Amino acid sequence: SAVISQKPSRDICQRGTSLTIQCQVDSQVTMMFWYRQQPGQSLTLIATANQGSEATYESGFVIDKFPISRPNLTFSTLTVSNMSPEDSSIYLCSVPFKTGREKAEAFFGQGTRLTVV
Amino acid sequence: AQKVTQAQTEISVVEKEDVTLDCVYETRDTTYYLFWYKQPPSGELVFLIRRNSFDEQNEISGRYSWNFQKSTSSFNFTITASQVVDSAVYFCALVGAGNMLTFGGGTRLMVKP
Repeated sequence: SAVISQKPSRDICQRGTSLTIQCQVDSQVTMMFWYRQQPGQSLTLIATANQGSEATYESGFVIDKFPISRPNLTFSTLTVSNMSPEDSSIYLCSVPFKTGREKAEAFFGQGTRLTVV
Repeated sequence: AQKVTQAQTEISVVEKEDVTLDCVYETRDTTYYLFWYKQPPSGELVFLIRRNSFDEQNEISGRYSWNFQKSTSSFNFTITASQVVDSAVYFCALVGAGNMLTFGGGTRLMVKP
């Protein structure tokens, strides 16, 4: 199983500023995922971060707003840029699992609870 | 495209009652995995169970049980003798060939003493 450390666990930020969330995995993984969970909502995939290439963003999310770095196979960052109160959410990083005949696990960081005031 | 539907947005029960959370999914993949997660008020996601598409055996773990019915594309979750500590949001999720999870909308369970 993978262990994921995500930080900060929570933050309160002023509108117009940016916050960078870090995600560290204890093993090498090809893909990492970033999710957003708005208050009272389900989890929505923001983007897939691949080492050595640009992140792939889902519909409704753009690189200028959510730049992602993936400098190596164990680390990724997500930046929430030029924040507004609508960005107040829980952000989670995740790593995929082994599919096929092997058992599958899905792993999540502890989440970052962001409040923009 | 994948889709997970949790029709029950909120359920309220009294402690010791049994409760079933429904999950219906759609996928074109022949190999896929289904998950249930619990999200307490603290916000972290707690993994409860995974099931692959080739294994339709039902599973019981303590007060928790899961009923996987491939014929109806459902993966329902039952809590027996519910407790106040079971109060949380529960998410059903699916992963197929794309390796990322598609989540249902979640069901908020409130267990009253």
